[in-house]
Amino acid sequence: SQELEQSPQSLIVQEGKNLTINCTSSKTLYGLYWYKQKYGEGLIFLMMLQKGGEEKSHEKITAKLDEKKQQSSLHITASQPSHAGIYLCGADKIGSSASKIIFGSGTRLSIRP
Amino acid sequence: DAGVIQSPRHEVTEMGQEVTLRCKPISGHNSLFWYRQTMMRGLELLIYFNNNVPIDDSGMPEDRFSAKMPNASFSTLKIQPSEPRDSAVYFCASSLTASGNTIYFGEGSWLTVV
Repeated sequence: SQELEQSPQSLIVQEGKNLTINCTSSKTLYGLYWYKQKYGEGLIFLMMLQKGGEEKSHEKITAKLDEKKQQSSLHITASQPSHAGIYLCGADKIGSSASKIIFGSGTRLSIRP
Repeated sequence: DAGVIQSPRHEVTEMGQEVTLRCKPISGHNSLFWYRQTMMRGLELLIYFNNNVPIDDSGMPEDRFSAKMPNASFSTLKIQPSEPRDSAVYFCASSLTASGNTIYFGEGSWLTVV
């Protein structure tokens, strides 16, 4: 079965510094999703990537999907306290008549002032 | 626009009691998902529906868990009887069916079984 591994599991970064979170799949990804979760809240959709080599950006967050479509990275530039939270990658798992998304274990990001 | 609506947001119940969690998906979405999140196991897919029909319930942990979707705008996840190890955050999410469509999450139901 398809599994997603995220690294690192947790990260503490000085405010203003850049950081990268990785998501690796054991199988080819048909769709890769990045979500952010704050404690006590639901998951907020950030970006979706589908094509090999695709890159998307939103404000200071950039996500990339490699050409082989087995690895994605999420990069935050000039981190701010508002970036703190848990980042989860999710992969589209093709089913018989509908797809479902499975998730990695998440990366807990803390921003140190 | 209203997102996915879940109720209750928080519930504390005694072991052995029945728990019912409710979900209203985004209007027009025809896929609905129930996830469970714990510190130990992360975010797990329990079951998902397509056009109100359960497609894959392989993630449902035990027979104590059941889910229904009587119509396109309502779903329930029931635990009977509840046990302390069921304590978790239960998320409902919805999407359009086709692969590659983003799924949108509710804010979760925090369940504590004592």
